[in-house]
Amino acid sequence: GDSVTQMEGPVTLSEEAFLTINCTYTATGYPSLFWYVQYPGEGLQLLLKATKADDKGSNKGFEATYRKETTSFHLEKGSVQVSDSAVYFCALSDGFTGGGNKLTFGTGTQLKVEL
Amino acid sequence: EAQVTQNPRYLITVTGKKLTVTCSQNMNHEYMSWYRQDPGLGLRQIYYSMNVEVTDKGDVPEGYKVSRKEKRNFPLILESPSPNQTSLYFCASSLSGRITYEQYFGPGTRLTVT
Repeated sequence: GDSVTQMEGPVTLSEEAFLTINCTYTATGYPSLFWYVQYPGEGLQLLLKATKADDKGSNKGFEATYRKETTSFHLEKGSVQVSDSAVYFCALSDGFTGGGNKLTFGTGTQLKVEL
Repeated sequence: EAQVTQNPRYLITVTGKKLTVTCSQNMNHEYMSWYRQDPGLGLRQIYYSMNVEVTDKGDVPEGYKVSRKEKRNFPLILESPSPNQTSLYFCASSLSGRITYEQYFGPGTRLTVT
């Protein structure tokens, strides 16, 4: 079945540092890939998405590129801020394994950015 | 404001006492679903609904029921809660059940069953 593997956290960075959170996936067919962010005490918000190979999703300075050859969708940001502290989830939706628009999530990576 | 609302946000209950967690969206979305979030497991789908009167099981449906009588509402029912249903629950909706559509999540309901 589908699965998403992302690097374990927590990740602690200094403000303005470069961020990479690794994500790899296994899926049937050609999934759409997503990064969601969860701020403390809140629900998940879509951060960015990519729907086909070589697509780059970007938002708020974050980027991720859909790499079919390596089945990866790593999240990057050039300069993190304290306000980026949150839990980040990589997810996919393939439409083949039932559940309609079901998202298969990774376990989440907690990011803490310090001054 | 476009949003998904859930109630209650926090609930502590005892084993076997039936409860309902409500979910409502104001975006006229066709697709709605429920997830539970557990440490080390991410989020897993419990039930989903492609449209009114059409619901189906997700990956972890045991011990849960749902209904979709109106487009905007999708309550999650625990007929006889057990401690292993202690979790953080999220309702989500999207315009369609197609995979490229963005899903909008509610703020979550933290349930503790003692």
